[in-house]
Amino acid sequence: EADIYQTPRYLVIGTGKKITLECSQTMGHDKMYWYQQDPGMELHLIHYSYGVNSTEKGDLSSESTVSRIRTEHFPLTLESARPSHTSQYLCASSEQGAYGYTFGSGTRLTVV
Amino acid sequence: SQKIEQNSEALNIQEGKTATLTCNYTNYSPAYLQWYRQDPGRGPVFLLLIRENEKEKRKERLKVTFDTTLKQSLFHITASQPADSATYLCALEGSSNTGKLIFGQGTTLQVKP
Repeated sequence: EADIYQTPRYLVIGTGKKITLECSQTMGHDKMYWYQQDPGMELHLIHYSYGVNSTEKGDLSSESTVSRIRTEHFPLTLESARPSHTSQYLCASSEQGAYGYTFGSGTRLTVV
Repeated sequence: SQKIEQNSEALNIQEGKTATLTCNYTNYSPAYLQWYRQDPGRGPVFLLLIRENEKEKRKERLKVTFDTTLKQSLFHITASQPADSATYLCALEGSSNTGKLIFGQGTTLQVKP
């Protein structure tokens, strides 16, 4: 069963549109992350949060923004989608300390 | 710069054999290392975590070793089954005590019946 939920699962959208990818977790984890992954490639960290009102940019530069108003919710927003944003976006959460991540099923975004 | 290397070539083995996957890293001194399984189009699933002071960790048919001198981890699946076919990712903490994981590209395992 999934304890971390991402919606939508698939999204095809036109260039210039604003989109928000949703991510929610029911485990009460303080730490949450957004990764971007192209087919056959490694995951790249684009945003992370250590708790409410805490957000940081990751190692891969991204034009997206995130917010963390509630512990369980960590949405990612693209103000103006471009074809270069086409990718899979994966949300994850973890407990404090050295623990494995729990990942969502991902959102496959295609910008046409 | 920090780098994680996993064999990009797919590993093909016969059912029942032991699969061994390798993760090498440079310019890291990780406190722990993790292994994940990823199926096509899905998010990774956490399998095992091994700390720097642990040489070996086991979970059912899985075994992970961690050699901080060689800067290498080996991931073994014994008595492999076709259902084990997937991509396996190695992950390290990018910076000390941040909890941010850096992932390798993964090695695809194909177990043939």
